[in-house]
Amino acid sequence: QKEVEQNSGPLSVPEGAIASLNCTYSDRGSQSFFWYRQYSGKSPELIMSIYSNGDKEDGRFTAQLNKASQYVSLLIRDSQPSDSATYLCAAFYGGATNKLIFGTGTLLAVQP
Amino acid sequence: SAVISQKPSRDICQRGTSLTIQCQVDSQVTMMFWYRQQPGQSLTLIATANQGSEATYESGFVIDKFPISRPNLTFSTLTVSNMSPEDSSIYLCSVGQGKGETQYFGPGTRLLVL
Repeated sequence: QKEVEQNSGPLSVPEGAIASLNCTYSDRGSQSFFWYRQYSGKSPELIMSIYSNGDKEDGRFTAQLNKASQYVSLLIRDSQPSDSATYLCAAFYGGATNKLIFGTGTLLAVQP
Repeated sequence: SAVISQKPSRDICQRGTSLTIQCQVDSQVTMMFWYRQQPGQSLTLIATANQGSEATYESGFVIDKFPISRPNLTFSTLTVSNMSPEDSSIYLCSVGQGKGETQYFGPGTRLLVL
């Protein structure tokens, strides 16, 4: 069973701090990983993708991938109250599976 | 990324009725997907709808309950048939790029079944 696991939170951080969101996946067959942000009452919005081991930075966001540990993380620097949302981690499995598997999401609350 | 719209944005329906949800994309895409997100839950894939082939349903979802059409490369519909309160959920379409791994979501349809 291909699974993606996240801590549901809520993760509470003060404004300006670094928020660290974590995700593990069960099957080594996945090669592509994604972070989505979902505001309450809205649909998921793709914010980061990562395919290779290491770090990938985009503005205040850094995605980290460690395939040996089957671990993906998202760091948000200088957190803002507008970053308060649920963050969904997803892993793509190709071949016969050919679908995105989503975690249950982590609720982030940035306190002003 | 493509601009995706869905209709209706929300609806309240009586049990036993059916609702058809439309998904329109502003560019041609091969891969479209339909998801369900129940309250407080993550996304569950219902089916993959590729133009020119029958929809592929995930375990637990059947064509009689969730018939899908994909008449062209910019449009798809999902029908929720013979609804019950358990079908109350958000229904989302997405479009895939590359091998389908990079997906962008429409705004969703909020369905409440009484």
